[in-house]
Amino acid sequence: QLQLQESGPGLVKPSETLSLSCTVSGGSISKTSYYWGWIRQPPGKGLECIGTISYSGSTYYTPSLKSRVTMSVDTSKNQFSLKLSSVTAADTAVYYCALVVVTATRSSFDYWGQGTLVTVSS
Amino acid sequence: EIVLTQSPGTLSLSPGERATLSCRASQSVSGTYLAWYQQKPGQAPRLLIYGASSRATGIPGRFSGSGSGTDFTLTISRLEPEDFAVYYCQHYGSSPLFSFGPGTKVDIK
Repeated sequence: QLQLQESGPGLVKPSETLSLSCTVSGGSISKTSYYWGWIRQPPGKGLECIGTISYSGSTYYTPSLKSRVTMSVDTSKNQFSLKLSSVTAADTAVYYCALVVVTATRSSFDYWGQGTLVTVSS
Repeated sequence: EIVLTQSPGTLSLSPGERATLSCRASQSVSGTYLAWYQQKPGQAPRLLIYGASSRATGIPGRFSGSGSGTDFTLTISRLEPEDFAVYYCQHYGSSPLFSFGPGTKVDIK
């Protein structure tokens, strides 16, 4: 059973960079057709996909956040990471990491981490 | 840009009743890339349905998905107490590449 676990600071100051990591266990991060995604959910609101990364480092960032987002992958640690720069209070949210399956016959977020709340405040 | 709209915003039903949730796309999309998720308070979303109508592993048979083009439906045939939650539809393949609907809350009447 694949498991994902987010880690990182729960409090970030405005204008600074939010940094989170996701450790994958129970399976290899290096699998074709697997992508690794970050999704966020502001308190009381809906879900927004921030972007995805493949084990080879191919990335997709959602257009509204593209200028501030960097994702990376470390296959030796079975881990992938998110950096979001110049944060404001609007970036306060629960951040989830997830396995994204994309094939010719399906696409879905199949496994999710438990989520970590990141608050942007001075 | 494809926008997903879900209705109703809130559905108030009793255990044992049938729930019908709607997800409408602003233009025709491929059902191959339409998924549904369930989210309970304080928990991560859970994949229910992918490819518009295929149940994910371990999902009970009372959950079913259908639809094509712009209109998709998630049906819960008989609500169990654990089914009261928020449900999101999600599509892959347009800009943004991964988009979620705003959700439908199913609460106890």
